[in-house]
Amino acid sequence: GAGVSQSPSNKVTEKGKDVELRCDPISGHTALYWYRQSLGQGLEFLIYFQGNSAPDKSGLPSDRFSAERTGGSVSTLTIQRTQQEDSAVYLCASSQDRTYGYTFGSGTRLTVV
Amino acid sequence: GQQLNQSPQSMFIQEGEDVSMNCTSSSIFNTWLWYKQDPGEGPVLLIALYKAGELTSNGRLTAQFGITRKDSFLNISASIPSDVGIYFCAGMNYGGSQGNLIFGKGTKLSVKP
Repeated sequence: GAGVSQSPSNKVTEKGKDVELRCDPISGHTALYWYRQSLGQGLEFLIYFQGNSAPDKSGLPSDRFSAERTGGSVSTLTIQRTQQEDSAVYLCASSQDRTYGYTFGSGTRLTVV
Repeated sequence: GQQLNQSPQSMFIQEGEDVSMNCTSSSIFNTWLWYKQDPGEGPVLLIALYKAGELTSNGRLTAQFGITRKDSFLNISASIPSDVGIYFCAGMNYGGSQGNLIFGKGTKLSVKP
């Protein structure tokens, strides 16, 4: 597509439930990134996919967080047993090449109640 | 890990004023990027800097890649109301972890009351 698409745009969930966040990158972009932005904070790196290589998961905050990227395109970030501190905006970005700036989606605002 | 110190954290602008913000790091980066984020949106790339000492303009925006490769500044000349938002600096290294892109905590631009 023309831009990075994320869904849902907003998600309210109860503590302890699992959630799935979806990212549809720009067509042809080989790299895909997930970031988390808490209120008033900068962007915290979560995970990075590059082509068929093993993902860089070094930013995932706990084993409740996981992500996959199917067919080198769409990615899903899953948070299991959500906690209130998971409330944040989850941003996805894609890029054609690691040396260029990323194009971000509008994010999914997750609220855990 | 690598960290970026961005300042100021916030500032108020009056239409027509020039604005300046900067980022510093204890580590060297190969690339500096400046993003702007509007409410409810993902960050949008403003300027990318690839060489130490490089000075690049994009309309009323000017950014420089510090000669030591540890800092960068962004200037906005003759500010207008639509300049309000949050500006993020980001540093990138090709060989590092964390997806290669590290973000500062942002500078929030607001209009003077």
